[in-house]
Amino acid sequence: KNQVEQSPQSLIILEGKNCTLQCNYTVSPFSNLRWYKQDTGRGPVSLTIMTFSENTKSNGRYTATLDADTKQSSLHITASQLSDSASYICVVSADRGSTLGRLYFGRGTQLTVWP
Amino acid sequence: DAGITQSPRHKVTETGTPVTLRCHQTENHRYMYWYRQDPGHGLRLIHYSYGVKDTDKGEVSDGYSVSRSKTEDFLLTLESATSSQTSVYFCAISPGQGSVTQYFGPGTRLLVL
Repeated sequence: KNQVEQSPQSLIILEGKNCTLQCNYTVSPFSNLRWYKQDTGRGPVSLTIMTFSENTKSNGRYTATLDADTKQSSLHITASQLSDSASYICVVSADRGSTLGRLYFGRGTQLTVWP
Repeated sequence: DAGITQSPRHKVTETGTPVTLRCHQTENHRYMYWYRQDPGHGLRLIHYSYGVKDTDKGEVSDGYSVSRSKTEDFLLTLESATSSQTSVYFCAISPGQGSVTQYFGPGTRLLVL
């Protein structure tokens, strides 16, 4: 069964600290993995997209890693800011050839950054 | 929100009434999607479109229909709303498929009483 599991479900950290969010998936055949940030009351915004051949990708203070062998990804946030408070969603795309790749969404990790 | 608007942004309706949600884009992207987001679930695909008048079902399409008569507009219709369709609905667009970013709209909060 194709699934995407994220941990922890929620996380509270102090401003300025680093944190790492985890994503494990069982989606096959794998096409790509995405991390989205969703602020409360808004739509998700893409942070990174990684294909099978990429094992790390950065977007400012956000760094995503991918281990396609173990089917694990992580999102590392450096020097957290209050504006990082949001839900972070891991999304894995299954390769279906010429047809639309099916996207499997995790339930998200709710990050709260305290001053 | 990448040139995507959704209307209405909030709606309260009664069980059994028809409801239409509109997604409008100014990016001229080929692909458009409708998702719903509920507590305890990830985003779930309802329907998508890969061109004008070209649509297909997603994983939770029962009770929903869509239409796309113009590139910029994608309509989601609940023929007879039920309380289980209370949710937040997101429209998304992308220029292609594969490793291509999807851009999401601001969402529509729908409450079915």
